[in-house]
Amino acid sequence: AQSVAQPEDQVNVAEGNPLTVKCTYSVSGNPYLFWYVQYPNRGLQFLLKYITGDNLVKGSYGFEAEFNKSQTSFHLKKPSALVSDSALYFCAVRDINQAGTALIFGKGTTLSVSS
Amino acid sequence: EAQVTQNPRYLITVTGKKLTVTCSQNMNHEYMSWYRQDPGLGLRQIYYSMNVEVTDKGDVPEGYKVSRKEKRNFPLILESPSPNQTSLYFCASTLHGTSGRPDTQYFGPGTRLTVL
Repeated sequence: AQSVAQPEDQVNVAEGNPLTVKCTYSVSGNPYLFWYVQYPNRGLQFLLKYITGDNLVKGSYGFEAEFNKSQTSFHLKKPSALVSDSALYFCAVRDINQAGTALIFGKGTTLSVSS
Repeated sequence: EAQVTQNPRYLITVTGKKLTVTCSQNMNHEYMSWYRQDPGLGLRQIYYSMNVEVTDKGDVPEGYKVSRKEKRNFPLILESPSPNQTSLYFCASTLHGTSGRPDTQYFGPGTRLTVL
């Protein structure tokens, strides 16, 4: 069965510091991996995705994520956090051989960036 | 503007009173899906549709119905809502419905439903 784990309910960082939001996954085949962000009272917005190729994926708003197959991880990173990055972040996975394109989501990690 | 729209955005109702949440996309996407978001549980898929007249259950389909009579619309129907269906609901769409495609899902703004 597919699953996604976001081990931290909340991550706190100071503005200007690097941030990491962790994600590990489990799929039977090869994964497609996604990060979405949800701002208060808003829907989910796509940040980036990993399909194949370079393990370092760059996305919107200066975010990037590193795919690590041996550790089955896809951590979200940003070199310098902004207060406006404060939001709820979701990691999601889909098995490329799974029909229905259903995304399996993690429980979400709240990122709080202090000024 | 390419978008997924949902209506209503907020709804308070009582147990047993049938309701429909509409979802519409203007991107000619084949695949549409409904999720519910609950604290500590993330998003869970309720139903999905691979194309017109093709629907299937997701992970938490109990108490819900859907229909896909036309490509752009995918309404979520609660025939007899109960308090445990109080949640935040998201509709999403993707260009293709076949497996093997890494298409990005686009989400609507969400519908906050409270069932008293």
